[in-house]
Amino acid sequence: QAVVTQEPSLTVSPGGTVTLTCDSSTGAVTSGHYPYWFQQKPGQAPRTLIYDTSNQHSWTPARFSGSLLGGKAALTLSGAQPEDEAEYYCLLSYSGAVVFGGGTKLTVL
Amino acid sequence: QLQLQESGPGLVKPSETLSLTCTVSGGSVSSSSYYWGWIRQPPGKGLEWIGSIYYSGSTYYNPSLKSRVTISVDTSKNQFSLKMNSVTAADTAVYYCARHKKDYFARGGYSHISPSGVDIWGQGTMVTVSS
Repeated sequence: QAVVTQEPSLTVSPGGTVTLTCDSSTGAVTSGHYPYWFQQKPGQAPRTLIYDTSNQHSWTPARFSGSLLGGKAALTLSGAQPEDEAEYYCLLSYSGAVVFGGGTKLTVL
Repeated sequence: QLQLQESGPGLVKPSETLSLTCTVSGGSVSSSSYYWGWIRQPPGKGLEWIGSIYYSGSTYYNPSLKSRVTISVDTSKNQFSLKMNSVTAADTAVYYCARHKKDYFARGGYSHISPSGVDIWGQGTMVTVSS
């Protein structure tokens, strides 16, 4: 089974920009992996932010954007807010299998 | 709007079977546009996909759990369910039910449907495996 890797932790200053990445053990991440990004705060269920690489849900703050970058899926936060401090997970699809990344703990400090 | 609600015992004994049900409201489990799935999260750890089912009963499972897991759907009750047998303490987790987008992949010259990402999550239910 594929392994999906994320940075364990990142720190961003309030108002700053940070990029989280999602890497696949099978090779370059493409749109065919249908990358998703989720935000999870302590004690809460995850919330879907980005679907199919770069599409935002109606509830997704505009400061979050998704892309493919250097063979990985990427989530960029531009203009970080204190409420963006959370765990972020990516998900990739592999022809019938769904694999989550290990998560990135984002600190806004 | 669509909502998902997990239900089932919060405590299961080792070696027994964990059974959970997800009730769908504000939408139909018979929709041809989605898969319905189960995801778990052990305390302090990350998310793990367990498996997903289409309204027709077609399933996909995590290979690491496949031998112990069965997911079923009851369209008359607008529910889908998870059974996991031979549980151990390692199965202690918050269990989420979820709605997956349906996507496609090509294999053997044919197009197949499969689950991809999750757009709607249940609130989750804690299941502890302990005697």
